[in-house]
Order: sequence, then C-alpha cells, then structure tokens
Amino acid sequence: DVKVTQSSRYLVKRTGEKVFLECVQDMDHENMFWYRQDPGLGLRLIYFSYDVKMKEKGDIPEGYSVSREKKERFSLILESASTNQTSMYLCASSPLQGLAVGGETQYFGPGTRLLVL
Amino acid sequence: GENVEQHPSTLSVQEGDSAVIKCTYSDSASNYFPWYKQELGKRPQLIIDIRSNVGEKKDQRIAVTLNKTAKHFSLHITETQPEDSAVYFCAAKDTGGGNKLTFGTGTQLKVEL
Repeated sequence: DVKVTQSSRYLVKRTGEKVFLECVQDMDHENMFWYRQDPGLGLRLIYFSYDVKMKEKGDIPEGYSVSREKKERFSLILESASTNQTSMYLCASSPLQGLAVGGETQYFGPGTRLLVL
Repeated sequence: GENVEQHPSTLSVQEGDSAVIKCTYSDSASNYFPWYKQELGKRPQLIIDIRSNVGEKKDQRIAVTLNKTAKHFSLHITETQPEDSAVYFCAAKDTGGGNKLTFGTGTQLKVEL
C-alpha cells in the first residue's frame, strides 16, 4: 500500500515567516508533486519533481520554492509567507511513467492546512 | 498547456438516482484521464481511470466514458448512496514529462436520503 505522509496536518504562521512543508513517500516513486487546494479552484500544481534534485514549475510557482535532496522526500518552502498563501497543501507521488500498470496514478498525502496570519 | 473544465460545481441527487459529472479537456494528445474522490477532511483517492484507447470503463456502480473527438469525458454513478457524497475531481494527463495531471475544479456531490 502506497503511503504518502506530510509533516503537519495544521500549521499557523505569521506573515513574513519562512515555512517548510515536508512530504515523504515510501514507494520509491520518481515523481512527486505539490498542489494547493482552494474552494472553487480545484487542485493547482505549484511544483513537481521527476528525480532527485530535479524540479519543474507548475501553474502557480510564484512565492514558493522546492527541494528534493532524497528520492523519498519533497519539501515545499514559502520563503516569506503571506496571507494569500493560506490554503490546503497536498503532496502527491507517482511512479515513473510507463513502467507500471497505472503508472500515471498519483497518490496523495493527507494534506497540510496552513493559516498565515 | 492542458486546460480541464468540469461541470457542474455542485450536484444534489436523491438516494438511488444516477449522477453524471462532465469534463472537457483541451489537448487532443492527452491519453490518460483519472477521477478522484475526496471525502470531507480526507485525501483525494483514485476511483476510476480511462486511457485514450478505450471508450468506456466500468467498475461496479461507477463508469467513465471518453469521447476523444469531442474531447470530453464523464463520470457516471448509478444507484447513488449517502457514502457517495464527496467532492469529485476529473483530471487529464499533460503530454509533457513527469506524469503531470491537470485537474478540474471539482464537483460537490450530495446524495440526499
């Protein structure tokens, strides 16, 4: 069973703070993703990574950065948190395209609800 | 890049009735279309998916249909039950690398007793 975990379920931070959200997967997946989920907007991709030390911008990367030093761990960094970054953040992982049946399937973590005051 | 539109945003049905959620996509080269269900306070979970070489796929009470010509796909839930109440997301796989998915904006389904 694929397990994707996120370091916190709830987080409260002050404007201007540096925030780290951690995601770990235990299935040796190559691909990892960070989304934010807002009512009426669905899941929007912030960044993704298809290999260690590799990263690609998603649809809304502004104000965020990421780090992938190890295959199992993908971190989302808010360099200077702002109130408009208050949201639910979801991490996901998937195996390398084409190497497994259902290889495109993404498996999600439980989410981190971030409140920036 | 890919653009996915999903309708309706909310759907209320009586228990036992059918529910249909529709999505359109923009990239004719997209070849993988998953549907996710997210119950309140929980993570999105895959419930069914379809690839572009298939027109329809069924798994018990849920089915997905794909019309490549029109670039739309639909989720059908028959004999709805209260536990079907959730937010449903459609998605389409981008043709670039990395297994990137573009999601629709979600449909809140409420099954009323």
